[in-house]
Amino acid sequence: DAGITQSPRHKVTETGTPVTLRCHQTENHRYMYWYRQDPGHGLRLIHYSYGVKDTDKGEVSDGYSVSRSKTEDFLLTLESATSSQTSVYFCAISVGRSVGDTQYFGPGTRLTVL
Amino acid sequence: SQQGEEDPQALSIQEGENATMNCSYKTSINNLQWYRQNSGRGLVHLILIRSNEREKHSGRLRVTLDTSKKSSSLLITASRAADTASYFCATDARIQGAQKLVFGQGTRLTINP
Repeated sequence: DAGITQSPRHKVTETGTPVTLRCHQTENHRYMYWYRQDPGHGLRLIHYSYGVKDTDKGEVSDGYSVSRSKTEDFLLTLESATSSQTSVYFCAISVGRSVGDTQYFGPGTRLTVL
Repeated sequence: SQQGEEDPQALSIQEGENATMNCSYKTSINNLQWYRQNSGRGLVHLILIRSNEREKHSGRLRVTLDTSKKSSSLLITASRAADTASYFCATDARIQGAQKLVFGQGTRLTINP
């Protein structure tokens, strides 16, 4: 599983509250990613990071921010959660030198925004 | 429309039969990957095929790539109940000036005992 953990694994929150999801890796990989998975949309990239303090937007970045102050941690923040952000969130890392290399996924966080 | 689209969306077969899933894409790619996702779990990488390869095998998995048709297929031979999962293709392509790994919506495979 490439030593990827996500926390929390489940969260229920209310509209308008801030939420932070954490992804932690143990193997010092450069690239880390946040995806959301929704029925009918498959897996969509939210943000990714190519190093400490180096991040970029993905396909569905609106309403989300990320931070990476240490190689091993990549945080996803929903500043003010909305019901449309109810989803399953996956963190991933890639072991190569490119965004297109093989990715390894964490177990996911199921977020429900009421 | 999607960069990567799997077909069929759902497939149900008997244990022991072969399962074939297809993936079509739109832009030039460096590689194409297949992933499996069991219910409630993260995606697991199965196999990667590069744009200059036409076929690749891994155990009971066989992947083909036809860059002229912009399509790939995943064949699982002698299926088992444990193969029940969703299968996703992902293409390494340049989208809007940036390299991305783009996932399709998946094929849900059910193996009936």
